[in-house]
Amino acid sequence: GENVEQHPSTLSVQEGDSAVIKCTYSDSASNYFPWYKQELGKRPQLIIDIRSNVGEKKDQRIAVTLNKTAKHFSLHITETQPEDSAVYFCAAPSPGYSSASKIIFGSGTRLSIRP
Amino acid sequence: GAGVSQSPSNKVTEKGKDVELRCDPISGHTALYWYRQSLGQGLEFLIYFQGNSAPDKSGLPSDRFSAERTGGSVSTLTIQRTQQEDSAVYLCASSSQGGQFFGPGTRLTVL
Repeated sequence: GENVEQHPSTLSVQEGDSAVIKCTYSDSASNYFPWYKQELGKRPQLIIDIRSNVGEKKDQRIAVTLNKTAKHFSLHITETQPEDSAVYFCAAPSPGYSSASKIIFGSGTRLSIRP
Repeated sequence: GAGVSQSPSNKVTEKGKDVELRCDPISGHTALYWYRQSLGQGLEFLIYFQGNSAPDKSGLPSDRFSAERTGGSVSTLTIQRTQQEDSAVYLCASSSQGGQFFGPGTRLTVL
């Protein structure tokens, strides 16, 4: 079945620097890749997603890139701020399901922003 | 508009008791999901409902767990004969064509 691997599990960056989180997937038919942010004690929230017909998508300080050939996608956060500290989860569709239906989550990356 | 709501927000129960957790999805969302999240851990898929199709129950950890969705809207997750290892936050999410929107979760503590 689909396997979504996420790296690193923890990441600490200096405020103002960039952070990059990477995920790989195994099903070449996967065509939808969302990213979620979960602050301590809060629910996961969708922050950005990308479909397989584009290679990059940006929304202010966050961007996601997709490499379909290599089957990996990455979350990029620029000019990091203290409020970016959270756990980030990537996800990809489960085999046999259409995009944006049943998805499998990565194991999460705990991002800490150092002041 | 209103987001996904869940009740209760917290539930403390004794080992062996049954519990029911409720989820109200966003109006018009055809898909509904249940996940379990233990402290500091990731999101464990439990069950997925899509419209009138048979639910995908592949994530339910044992036959003590069951869920139903009435009228294509509200869903109830039932855990029978609760065990201490069932203690976790149970999250519900709903979606339409895009990403999933999560509820605030129910924190279940089994003593």
